[in-house]
Amino acid sequence: VQLQESGPGLVKPSETLSLTCTVSGGSTSDYYWSWIRQPPGKGLEWIGFIYYSGSTNYNSSLQSRVTISLDTSKNQFSLRLSSVTAADTAVYYCARGTAVVGPADAYYFDLWGQGTPVTVSS
Amino acid sequence: SYELTQSPSVSVSPGHTATITCSGDKLGNKYACWYQQKPGQSPVLVIYQDSRRPSGIPERFSGSNSGNTATLAISGTQAMDEADYYCQAWDSSTWVFGGGTKLTVL
Repeated sequence: VQLQESGPGLVKPSETLSLTCTVSGGSTSDYYWSWIRQPPGKGLEWIGFIYYSGSTNYNSSLQSRVTISLDTSKNQFSLRLSSVTAADTAVYYCARGTAVVGPADAYYFDLWGQGTPVTVSS
Repeated sequence: SYELTQSPSVSVSPGHTATITCSGDKLGNKYACWYQQKPGQSPVLVIYQDSRRPSGIPERFSGSNSGNTATLAISGTQAMDEADYYCQAWDSSTWVFGGGTKLTVL
């Protein structure tokens, strides 16, 4: 299974960033399909996920601007981030989240895309 | 919101054991995992469920988690292990990352 991000590498301030992740070699069932970003020289920031059932959850710091959707017919999931500013400049990764449910639940990302750089600039 | 704290940097001599820690409130009651990220590359899962290694990860990588601290240990550290390491846990239906630790092999 492989993940591949696609979308514009340059977005103007105040506009909407849109990225798509294509899942090849497998289906979108049974996983948490997530977006994670990494600003230049900084750490990883989880943006949000969509479960294969369609339920979503987002980082509270971005929740008002983020939408993640899933297209099972195309084996793709997408990210939309509205009203972007320079602070949204980052490498954006899509990733597959796996859950192991038990007395304590384990959630981890076992598969990552190669990442796509997005710059917000006029 | 839940926070995970890591030291910004750790140095180790080749062949020695590197220890990277991650702290969070009652982290030992959750499962922690660890990612390795080399420059220009995507993160790679090296430890999940506190101490399990994915297929293909060398045995020199090990993990533990108790109290408020999760620990990643790399025994017999090699130059190829020089990278950024991130811990991660799950809290209230959100994925939480630590700030990352840069491991330097001197």
